[in-house]
Amino acid sequence: AQSVTQLDSQVPVFEEAPVELRCNYSSSVSVYLFWYVQYPNQGLQLLLKYLSGSTLVKGINGFEAEFNKSQTSFHLRKPSVHISDTAEYFCAVSDLVGETSGSRLTFGEGTQLTVNP
Amino acid sequence: NAGVTQTPKFRILKIGQSMTLQCTQDMNHNYMYWYRQDPGMGLKLIYYSVGAGITDKGEVPNGYNVSRSTTEDFPLRLELAAPSQTSVYFCASSYRGLEQFFGPGTRLTVL
Repeated sequence: AQSVTQLDSQVPVFEEAPVELRCNYSSSVSVYLFWYVQYPNQGLQLLLKYLSGSTLVKGINGFEAEFNKSQTSFHLRKPSVHISDTAEYFCAVSDLVGETSGSRLTFGEGTQLTVNP
Repeated sequence: NAGVTQTPKFRILKIGQSMTLQCTQDMNHNYMYWYRQDPGMGLKLIYYSVGAGITDKGEVPNGYNVSRSTTEDFPLRLELAAPSQTSVYFCASSYRGLEQFFGPGTRLTVL
């Protein structure tokens, strides 16, 4: 079984400040990790993903995340946030990625990022 | 290219009524998913499908049914609506189980 824990339910920051949204996971198999963003009254949009290779992953809108296997973490960072980054952010882990076996995402409970002027 | 579309956007049901939430994707994705989102709970997988004619239960399937007769469509059926099914429902699709593309959601209230 796999699980995802997002350590902060709400993160308020000021505009142009750096931000880190924390995500820890547990899984008994190889993992594939994702961060999604949800703007108000919209569906989820992929920010970035880790499948293999470099542990530092860059995504859209200036976000990046680092996969740390020993600490089972996948924290999301941005060096300077904008008002428009205000949204809910979800970390997710996939148990298996394959053509016939199915792939199911397990989501964390979400972190509401609020950027204040 | 519309991506993943869902209808209706909003719906209010009375207890015991039934309805079908529609989901269509035009990306020729083989994988499709239904999630529900409740405040502070993240998204929970209801059902998923790896191709036409193949469906499987997710984490919270009770009270729901699905079918997948075509690659494009993946409707979700609620037979006897209950207040516990008040939620926002998201449909998603993916190619080979990688990045999932989400629809805009259906906000359902059961009174």
